Amino acid sequence: AQTVTQSQPEMSVQEAETVTLSCTYDTSESDYYLFWYKQPPSRQMILVIRQEAYKQQNATENRFSVNFQKAAKSFSLKISDSQLGDAAMYFCAYRSETGNQFYFGTGTSLTVIP
Amino acid sequence: DVKVTQSSRYLVKRTGEKVFLECVQDMDHENMFWYRQDPGLGLRLIYFSYDVKMKEKGDIPEGYSVSREKKERFSLILESASTNQTSMYLCASRYQGLHSNQPQHFGDGTRLSIL
Repeated sequence: AQTVTQSQPEMSVQEAETVTLSCTYDTSESDYYLFWYKQPPSRQMILVIRQEAYKQQNATENRFSVNFQKAAKSFSLKISDSQLGDAAMYFCAYRSETGNQFYFGTGTSLTVIP
Repeated sequence: DVKVTQSSRYLVKRTGEKVFLECVQDMDHENMFWYRQDPGLGLRLIYFSYDVKMKEKGDIPEGYSVSREKKERFSLILESASTNQTSMYLCASRYQGLHSNQPQHFGDGTRLSIL
């Protein structure tokens, strides 16, 4: 099984500031997909951003961007101009190109300080 | 938008009971998944189904079974509930395409307590 590691159980950020959440993964495959999901308190888990391993360009979705370092097997999420609504649990996930299973990290709880 | 509906948000059952958790999706997705979510452990896959009547064990299938008789519905069954199965259960679905970046879509979750 693939391993996805989120080494920061909790993070906090001041409103309007920038925060980076870390994720590393272990794989011997060259083609795969990476995802960041957000789970607000008592609410549904939703997709934040995704990255294809074959793409060198880092994905960006409005205030959310990733730093994908394939050689280092690192996939960090940067949130710019943090808002109160960004407070949530964030999960990093991996899926190989040839498999159906997703592998999730243990999550990072993000607090946004007004 | 994809809609994944789990039958209950909160459920309380007793030890030894047979428990059914239901999940329905409305986007004709081939793949469906059941996870349990526990603090500090993230999401752990219990079972998944890649098509009707097809199922595969995930990482923690012991004490659980599943049923997928129709494409839109994936049921998780606790054969004889135990207190260590108290948890948050998440259902997800996904368009099959192997060589695609299609994400999973999640339901709201069922918080199950076994007394």
